[in-house]
This record gives sequence, C-alpha cells and structure tokens, in this order.
Amino acid sequence: DAKTTQPPSMDCAEGRAANLPCNHSTISGNEYVYWYRQIHSQGPQYIIHGLKNNETNEMASLIITEDRKSSTLILPHATLRDTAVYYCIVRALNFGNEKLTFGTGTRLTIIP
Amino acid sequence: DAMVIQNPRYQVTQFGKPVTLSCSQTLNHNVMYWYQQKSSQAPKLLFHYYDKDFNNEADTPDNFQSRRPNTSFCFLDIRSPGLGDAAMYLCATSRGRQGTDTQYFGPGTRLTVL
Repeated sequence: DAKTTQPPSMDCAEGRAANLPCNHSTISGNEYVYWYRQIHSQGPQYIIHGLKNNETNEMASLIITEDRKSSTLILPHATLRDTAVYYCIVRALNFGNEKLTFGTGTRLTIIP
Repeated sequence: DAMVIQNPRYQVTQFGKPVTLSCSQTLNHNVMYWYQQKSSQAPKLLFHYYDKDFNNEADTPDNFQSRRPNTSFCFLDIRSPGLGDAAMYLCATSRGRQGTDTQYFGPGTRLTVL
C-alpha cells in the first residue's frame, strides 16, 4: 500500500470547518483513500473513502485532487466531539488487501 | 444496531498468566481481525479469519493465538503475557477481504500486565 503523510497535529475552532490534508503521492490507480478517526481510548471509526471522485456522507466530505496525489477530509461544522486522531490510509481495491496500515495520523483538537 | 462488541473493556493479568479476550459481531461479516495498539502508536494487524480460514501476519509472535468457533465470535489468546504485551486490543470485521470492504472496529480491550 502507498505511504501517506499527514501533519501531526491541527487545531480548529468549534463550529468552523476542519480541513485535514493527506499526501499520498505514490498512490496507484487501483488504490482507494480511506479515512478513519480514533477518539481517545476507543476503537477506530470509519469516516469515508473514495477512489477519484469527491465523496460526501453524513459525517464528512472527501476531496481528492485530480492527480490523486493528495486529499482533504472536511468536517463541515466541527464540534468538541470531533477531537480525535484522524488516519488517512490508502488501500488497493483487489483481493488480498485486507490489512489496514495505519500511519501516524493527525491529532485534531477542536477549540471551544 | 449491528455492531462489534468486545469484552471485557479492561483486563488485568499477571505476567505469564494466560488471558483470553473476546469479540462478537452482529454484522454477519465473513472476516474478523485482531489489531494490537500500543500506547501512542497506530494499530497493527496481528491476524485475521476469513470464515474459518486463519491468516497470521508474518511478524506476529507465537505467544498470540486466535480461535473462531462460529461466525459471530472470535477470541484472542495470549499464552504467556509479558510486560510488552500491555496494549489496547482491537477487533474489527468486514464483509470480505477486498480493499473496498470497509472494516468496522469494536471499542477495544485495554490489557494491563502486572
């Protein structure tokens, strides 16, 4: 799986949009971008994933650049409960890529 | 709600005393995973079951074993816990093993070794 690079930490004011970047410059054509988050002392929580088109669900939006070398996770109206470590993971779509290889992630802190 | 359940949430054991952690799921997923997460580190896959087929990661110590008696349950056995095995143990499930099969995690069991 391709390697990802994320900033180690970010702050965001409550109620504002949180934009979390991820660099995956070596991503292959058959690799998806997945985002998980982990709130302190809990299991990782799936947020969203995408291949090349932008995606949106009830939790977040995922913007993938046209060259697919980077992406941004957007939490539109951050709340204190969004404070967590956010992991960006790239994962090939074919059989045998069951492992999630977590990087160091971004520790997002929402400021009241 | 369909979910992944881990019991207990906190487990204390003594050095060298065998311990078993439990995971159950109501998602009816084919695949169940065990990850280890040490303090301030990212989760690391230990092994997984695809149905009854056990798949070990190359660097998982022999001290760690697993059982899956049926679709819903999976157990992690640590035969002789050492101090270095203190960690959060995370169970996850997915419908299949393709890269598009999302993994869903339980809340984890935090293991303390005295």
